[in-house]
Amino acid sequence: EAQVTQNPRYLITVTGKKLTVTCSQNMNHEYMSWYRQDPGLGLRQIYYSMNVEVTDKGDVPEGYKVSRKEKRNFPLILESPSPNQTSLYFCASSLGRTDTQYFGPGTRLTVL
Amino acid sequence: AQKVTQAQTEISVVEKEDVTLDCVYETRDTTYYLFWYKQPPSGELVFLIRRNSFDEQNEISGRYSWNFQKSTSSFNFTITASQVVDSAVYFCALITWNSGNTPLVFGKGTRLSVIA
Repeated sequence: EAQVTQNPRYLITVTGKKLTVTCSQNMNHEYMSWYRQDPGLGLRQIYYSMNVEVTDKGDVPEGYKVSRKEKRNFPLILESPSPNQTSLYFCASSLGRTDTQYFGPGTRLTVL
Repeated sequence: AQKVTQAQTEISVVEKEDVTLDCVYETRDTTYYLFWYKQPPSGELVFLIRRNSFDEQNEISGRYSWNFQKSTSSFNFTITASQVVDSAVYFCALITWNSGNTPLVFGKGTRLSVIA
């Protein structure tokens, strides 16, 4: 089944404790992206990747890192999480930037 | 800059009513793509439709239909004979074909409640 998977689905952590949210797709897509969804602010792009080893900042990259060492994986790293990073996070992938993006199930992160 | 406006924050209808969700977009690019996604209470984002700027033909898929009008920069979504399972937040989104790498821009969403 074609899909985007994210882990974990739910995470409660404390300020400053490094964490990684994994994202994997099995559709051989070149473009991958991370979004955060916040009430009243909608969905905003954090980082994106056009292909392996090619990543760039989206609209709200502060406090996040990403890597794209393999085509299928695009982890999101929070080196020192803060409470303002409490949010619902989505990973997405598509063939190219303007093609349909398919979203993972979401990761609900709470930073205390 | 690109912008998507979904003026209806919340809509409530009774089952079997028809409902239209409005989407107005702004872009200076001539080549762009419009999308609708559904976010049910379970939280995932489900793709519904993708339409390019050169195809103004309306689309129908079962009870769903979309009306794309470039003259008014609108891409409205109609659900015919709504059902309780249609209750969700619906997002309209826009991405342009340009020399930069501008992201998919989402509207703030319309929360649809269908009451039995």
